[in-house]
Amino acid sequence: GESVGLHLPTLSVQEGDNSIINCAYSNSASDYFIWYKQESGKGPQFIIDIRSNMDKRQGQRVTVLLNKTVKHLSLQIAATQPGDSAVYFCAERDDKIIFGKGTRLHILP
Amino acid sequence: GAVVSQHPSWVICKSGTSVKIECRSLDFQATTMFWYRQFPKQSLMLMATSNEGSKATYEQGVEKDKFLINHASLTLSTLTVTSAHPEDSSFYICSGGTADRYTFGSGTRLTVV
Repeated sequence: GESVGLHLPTLSVQEGDNSIINCAYSNSASDYFIWYKQESGKGPQFIIDIRSNMDKRQGQRVTVLLNKTVKHLSLQIAATQPGDSAVYFCAERDDKIIFGKGTRLHILP
Repeated sequence: GAVVSQHPSWVICKSGTSVKIECRSLDFQATTMFWYRQFPKQSLMLMATSNEGSKATYEQGVEKDKFLINHASLTLSTLTVTSAHPEDSSFYICSGGTADRYTFGSGTRLTVV
């Protein structure tokens, strides 16, 4: 069954504010997590990944935090822009990639 | 690197017919590719793992006789939806890559009428 899930189905954020998307996982043995962005009618795009030997990883305007104690990870998007509007999935990868439920990020003007 | 090309981007077919979706690796050799299905407002669900030169591995609940997977070369995997029914209408997405990174095709919107 699915081992990766998300807390909220929809998140509305004011343009320019920071967005935080959360994800919980159940398999404590999981050691590699990925965040994907999916725009309408398209395949998922890689955003950022993190391995279990790290707590934090930063990219361009994005940061992923991993809390292994509570089996939780989050994606932070700084200065949210209209182009960030999409569905965001966390995923777990071992020999295959298993997706969580997804959070739709809606940008308010 | 790891570019995956999926074709067609959309297809409409009549009930009872079969539809083939292609997934090509453009700049790498894909010994393994993955096929996902996504219903509206839902997540991607893994259907099967396509293995070059051998049988595909199907996830629990996926009918192998209905969703035929062929991976005869290192650059092409195909998914054929046989005897399609309206409930097979969905967004099908393939994925492939290297040990470092998997990428996804642009998806195929299948509508069965």
